[in-house]
Order: sequence, then structure tokens, then C-alpha cells
Amino acid sequence: DAKTTQPNSMESNEEEPVHLPCNHSTISGTDYIHWYRQLPSQGPEYVIHGLTSNVNNRMASLAIAEDRKSSTLILHRATLRDAAVYYCILRDGGTSYGKLTFGQGTILTVHP
Amino acid sequence: DAGVIQSPRHEVTEMGQEVTLRCKPISGHDYLFWYRQTMMRGLELLIYFNNNVPIDDSGMPEDRFSAKMPNASFSTLKIQPSEPRDSAVYFCASSLGRFGEQYFGPGTRLTVT
Repeated sequence: DAKTTQPNSMESNEEEPVHLPCNHSTISGTDYIHWYRQLPSQGPEYVIHGLTSNVNNRMASLAIAEDRKSSTLILHRATLRDAAVYYCILRDGGTSYGKLTFGQGTILTVHP
Repeated sequence: DAGVIQSPRHEVTEMGQEVTLRCKPISGHDYLFWYRQTMMRGLELLIYFNNNVPIDDSGMPEDRFSAKMPNASFSTLKIQPSEPRDSAVYFCASSLGRFGEQYFGPGTRLTVT
């Protein structure tokens, strides 16, 4: 499986934008970039995913580099509820099953 | 929708005892996954089912672990006999379609003493 590299931790202030980076230099053409997050004492939850183009949804935006070797999850206005571990995952869309392989993720701390 | 339901939420048992974890997926979802999360190993996929049929159990750590899905609305993960190193949080997740978003349950925190 292609690997992703994320910073261990990041900090932000409430109501400020947060940019969470992810490197995936060995990404293949059929890999989708997925982001999940895990709030304290909860199961992971889906945030967003994309293939080549930037994506927006109600939770966040995903900016994908032109060469697809990196991506950035953008939280436009961080709230205290956004404090979580954020996982960047490559999911192979070319196989019979797109397995989710979770790495260590980025621990996001949001300060009031 | 109630989401994915897991029971029990917490389980404390002694080494050697049998443990059964339960999961009710979201209605209509055709894929079900069992994960285990520990500090040392992070979140690992143990096994997944498609339409109640086990597809890939390569993540199951050893023969002490078994999983079943007798119908579309229920799955169990059994550990027999349990060992202290099985202590972890076990998550169940379900999705619609093989590439659908995975919806996770709240997890079962297992402690084996």
C-alpha cells in the first residue's frame, strides 16, 4: 500500500483556519485520498475524499497538489469540537476492495 | 438513523475467558468491518464482510479470534481464550458499497486481566 506522512501534532486557535498537510509521494493513479478524523473516545468519522481535483463539503476542503504527491485538509474556522486525530489515507480504487489503512495521524489541538 | 451500534461498551474479563463483542451495522449497508485499536499498533483492520460473507480475515491475529455475520443486521467478534494482550478498543464499521464511506460505531473497550 502507498504510504502517507503526516506531522505528529499541530495546534490552532479557535475560529482560525487550519491547514493539515499530508505527503504521499508514492501515490498511484488509482489511489483516492481520504481523510478521517477521530474525536476523543469515539470511532473515526469520514471527513472528505478526492482523486485529482480540490473538493469542498460542509466539514472541510481538500486541496490536492497538481502532481498528487501531497494534499492539505483545510478547516476554515476551527472550533473546539475539531480537536481530534486526523488521518490521511490512500485508498486504492483500482482493486476489488479499497482497504482503509490508518497511520498514526495528526493530533490537532484547538485553543480557545 | 441510530448509526452503528456496538455492545457492550466496556468489557472487563479475566485471562482465559471467552469474550463476545457485538455489532449492528447501519440498515442497508452491505459491508461490515471489524477493527482493533491499541496505542502500540494504532487502528488495524481485522476482518471484513460483504453481504454477510467473510471476504478477508488476514488481519485476524490468531485462531483465538473468530467473527461471524449470521444476517445483515448482526455480527459478532469472539475471542476464546482471551489474553491480556487482547486488551484494546474494538470498532465495528459499515459501509454502502465497497468504496463507500465507513461509518464507525462507538467501540468496545476490552480489558483482559
